[in-house]
Amino acid sequence: ELKVEQNPLFLSMQEGKNYTIYCNYSTTSDRLYWYRQDPGKSLESLFVLLSNGAVKQEGRLMASLDTKARLSTLHITAAVHDLSATYFCAVPPMAGNQFYFGTGTSLTVIP
Amino acid sequence: ETGVTQSPTHLIKTRGQQVTLRCSSQSGHNTVSWYQQALGQGPQFIFQYYREEENGRGNFPPRFSGLQFPNYSSELNVNALELDDSALYLCASSQLGQNEKLFFGSGTQLSVL
Repeated sequence: ELKVEQNPLFLSMQEGKNYTIYCNYSTTSDRLYWYRQDPGKSLESLFVLLSNGAVKQEGRLMASLDTKARLSTLHITAAVHDLSATYFCAVPPMAGNQFYFGTGTSLTVIP
Repeated sequence: ETGVTQSPTHLIKTRGQQVTLRCSSQSGHNTVSWYQQALGQGPQFIFQYYREEENGRGNFPPRFSGLQFPNYSSELNVNALELDDSALYLCASSQLGQNEKLFFGSGTQLSVL
């Protein structure tokens, strides 16, 4: 079974600061997805990373994928309060159609 | 383009009862997946339906069953409810073969007492 680990699990950061969330997975995959979830809400798609070395940026968030290291990062630049949410990475195996989700990183941005 | 809709939004049941949750997939999508999200956890895959057939199943017992209809909408049925079934149930639709990006509905919060 594919294992997906995120760290940190909880992150409290001040507005204006930078930080990186890490997502490691245990077996080969060629794709990775990042989602955001606000409390009591569903999951909103942030990034789809489809190949080794892929980098995507949207506003203050940038995601990258290293399939050889089985690692993805979600970098937050100059955090603002609106980014407070739980962030999940999700990995589908090479064969199979289910997504394996990490345990999530709960981000709180403090004014 | 309509999004993924789920009903009901909240549901309270007692142990041993049966429940049916419903999902309408996003327009143009032919695949529906169901996930269970316990409090403080990431979603866990229950099963996927494609063209009205089960197309993969996670580590859930047979009392979790599903259907997909010709219009690609879907149902999740859970029999003999247990306390641990209390969770947010998420439906996700996708178009098989197109990078399979999942579009999630708002979920059904199930509480089993």
